[in-house]
Amino acid sequence: QVHLQESGPGLVKPSETLSLTCTVSGGSISPYYWNWIRQPPGKGLEWIGFVYYSGSTKYNPSLESRVTASVDMSKNQVSLRLNSVTAADTAIYYCARDWGDSCRGGTCHRMWDYWGQGVLVTVSS
Amino acid sequence: DIQMTQSPSSLSASVGDRVTIICRASESIANYLNWYQHKPGQAPQLLIYAASSLQSGVPSRFSGTRSGTEFTLTISSLQPEDFATYFCLQSYGPPWTFGQGTKVEVK
Repeated sequence: QVHLQESGPGLVKPSETLSLTCTVSGGSISPYYWNWIRQPPGKGLEWIGFVYYSGSTKYNPSLESRVTASVDMSKNQVSLRLNSVTAADTAIYYCARDWGDSCRGGTCHRMWDYWGQGVLVTVSS
Repeated sequence: DIQMTQSPSSLSASVGDRVTIICRASESIANYLNWYQHKPGQAPQLLIYAASSLQSGVPSRFSGTRSGTEFTLTISSLQPEDFATYFCLQSYGPPWTFGQGTKVEVK
């Protein structure tokens, strides 16, 4: 059974960098995409971006200037860095596994099958 | 960005009830729609992928349908373990976006 576990500091000061790790157990980093998602208190889910096992990335334009995602195949981990944080970055942060585009019989889809349980990060001085 | 409008935001139901939740996309997303169940403090669980395909291990009382840009999740007979929040995800056009969620509560 694949298990994803997010980890990192629960408290980050404004203007500093938020750093999170998603550790994958029971499965491999390849050949998947790894998404980061967040949910501010009382608000909806927001996609942050993904990193492919090869290291290529794609980010939400709303966060692109502040986000870096990466993979460490040797540790079976995916990482997220978000710099210059403000209180608006307070949220539960999730990672999720993504199979990428899959097509059969002329129809395509993209399945995200496993998520972590999330980690709450509070931005406060 | 593709907007996903999910309704209702909450509903009250009893065990055995039929429950229907809808997500409407602001433009065509083909079959790039997944449904999830989320309980507090737990990882979201995939129920339906590709709009109507049941994920392995998910009870058959869950089903998904698509009509154009409208997607429906149906629970045919609500069970005690089904009280949770449900949300949809579109992964057709980045940035991927989510429905706002539907909280299914005990009536």
